[in-house]
Amino acid sequence: QTVVTQEPSFSVSPGGTVTLTCGLSSGSVSTSYYPSWYQQTPGQAPRTLIYSTNTRSSGVPDRFSGSILGNKAALTITGAQADDESDYYCVLYMGSGICVFGGGTKLTVL
Amino acid sequence: QVQLVQSGSELKKPGASVKVSCKASGYTFTSYAMNWVRQAPGQGLEWMGWINTNTGNPTYAQGFTGRFVFSLDTSVSTAYLQISSLKAEDTAVYYCATRKDTALDYWGQGTLVTVSS
Repeated sequence: QTVVTQEPSFSVSPGGTVTLTCGLSSGSVSTSYYPSWYQQTPGQAPRTLIYSTNTRSSGVPDRFSGSILGNKAALTITGAQADDESDYYCVLYMGSGICVFGGGTKLTVL
Repeated sequence: QVQLVQSGSELKKPGASVKVSCKASGYTFTSYAMNWVRQAPGQGLEWMGWINTNTGNPTYAQGFTGRFVFSLDTSVSTAYLQISSLKAEDTAVYYCATRKDTALDYWGQGTLVTVSS
């Protein structure tokens, strides 16, 4: 069974830069998994931030960026703002319509 | 604009069934696959599976076979999730979401299903 790993929590200072990662319990994440990233604030539906590794969804500020760093997918937030405090989830696409979520990272901005 | 509007919260007893709807608008319904995602209280997002909106063929993730059924009514651009023999552990918010190519794209607002005696 595929297990997608994320840091359970992270903190960043306002204005700072933070990089969240998305890995595989066995193996490396590459662009072939078309990693995507989602932001969720409490009580709200998820919002799509990034798809196909590094393409921002419509309306997403350019301080959110996606990449591959080493053997993981990464979401970098540059110039963190208070309203970036959310849960962030990555999804890896396994083919045939199959998606796997990571466990999510709770980001605190303080 | 694309909208996915889900049915309202449900309170069900153990053993009962529930059917959650997801009505799409703002795009051609058969253009995108429809996915279902579960979020138990205080937990992360879990992909349940998807249904091909052209063929009606469903694919279920591990752990969501047997009691979970995805269906469509393309005449009203609506997808459905039915859960039978409800258990307390089915208590969760259920989201529908379109998939464009390889990523989940537009999301419904979520439907809370509470299973309690």
